[in-house]
Amino acid sequence: ESVLTQSPGTLSLSPGDRATLSCRASQTVNSNFLAWYQQKPGQAPRLLIYGASSRATVIPDRFSGSGSGTDFTLTISRLEPEDFAVYYCQHYGTSPLFGQGTKLEIK
Amino acid sequence: EVQLVESGGGLVQPGGSLRLSCAASGFSFSSYWLHWVRQAPGKGLVWVSRVSHDGSTPTYADSVKGRFTISRDNAKNTVYLQMNSLRAEDTAVYYCTRGGFQHAMDVWGQGTTVTVSS
Repeated sequence: ESVLTQSPGTLSLSPGDRATLSCRASQTVNSNFLAWYQQKPGQAPRLLIYGASSRATVIPDRFSGSGSGTDFTLTISRLEPEDFAVYYCQHYGTSPLFGQGTKLEIK
Repeated sequence: EVQLVESGGGLVQPGGSLRLSCAASGFSFSSYWLHWVRQAPGKGLVWVSRVSHDGSTPTYADSVKGRFTISRDNAKNTVYLQMNSLRAEDTAVYYCTRGGFQHAMDVWGQGTTVTVSS
């Protein structure tokens, strides 16, 4: 069973900065089934990226996903105040699996 | 509007039971797989269970296998999670979510809170 490890645990940046979040799988996963979610306090998660690199509906183009095999990245090109949240990667396999999350906080 | 609305959470004693419901609207319910995902207080997301579009293929996380049962009623556009032999570690917000294109969880409910405590 694959494990998804996200890094860093917490990322402190300022509005306007570029954010790079990492998700590493313990074994090769099918990138078609790799997704990223955003969760704000007190809210349900929201799908950002599916298939490793495709943006979900109404997701701004400052969000992008990349990667294959065991290494995946979520990039936010220029942080807006509303982007500070927790981000999870997830792989849909025999048992869907989430990473432990990266908290993106305002510096 | 595409929507999932959970209900049925509450406070239950260890060893007790609860049945969660998730009512769907705004999409062709019988065409989609549905999942339950939970989040313990201050913790991350954990997948719990899923059911195929016709209810024939339920799957469970090891932590709930044998205690939880997922089912669906396509006539009522509702998915259920029967939770038995509840433990303190089952305390969490439980989210219902739709498996969309390439199995990404593209629609989420607002969550229902389950607290297992004496």
